[in-house]
Amino acid sequence: QKEVEQNSGPLSVPEGAIASLNCTYSDRGSQSFFWYRQYSGKSPELIMSIYSNGDKEDGRFTAQLNKASQYVSLLIRDSQPSDSATYLCAGTPLEKLTFGTGTRLTIIP
Amino acid sequence: SAVISQKPSRDICQRGTSLTIQCQVDSQVTMMFWYRQQPGQSLTLIATANQGSEATYESGFVIDKFPISRPNLTFSTLTVSNMSPEDSSIYLCSVAFSTDNQPQHFGDGTRLSIL
Repeated sequence: QKEVEQNSGPLSVPEGAIASLNCTYSDRGSQSFFWYRQYSGKSPELIMSIYSNGDKEDGRFTAQLNKASQYVSLLIRDSQPSDSATYLCAGTPLEKLTFGTGTRLTIIP
Repeated sequence: SAVISQKPSRDICQRGTSLTIQCQVDSQVTMMFWYRQQPGQSLTLIATANQGSEATYESGFVIDKFPISRPNLTFSTLTVSNMSPEDSSIYLCSVAFSTDNQPQHFGDGTRLSIL
């Protein structure tokens, strides 16, 4: 079982809708979780960090963490074409940053 | 956050040669890392660059192939030695400001092609 798993997609969402990206992890000891956005040909860019159960909102982005279910999600409200990218979930099993395989998101105008 | 500069941004090399990639940060950082990202794949950690001591390598990566230096808190180099086409990849430097599960921030990467 991979330590951090994501649906590889691709995921297509109409402009203005909510995009929902999901991630599960296997190590219950993981303390920190991050979402990175990676545009094609570019390096990953940190967009959200979450450390405790519940929701964390930053603008149009909401990260959700459920440690009991070992589940992390990222919601993007009012999706824009500029949100089209690959989104990488990362966690810290064994205190080492580990990335999922990424979900490719396309926002359809 | 920090400004992380990687050089070169891209290169095309002949097999059997070596290339050194530089990573310069505009402020002191606690942790520096080197990753590889092959086309269409996620990121794979090569090693943690330790200041003043030998790097800590992940399973499948060895010092003879990927020697790493970190002479101070703002600079590190990764050398890809005796290159083969399988080494064609994007190599990324990342930094973290502390050791306690803080996020990492990435440089722009080096796109390497081996002929």
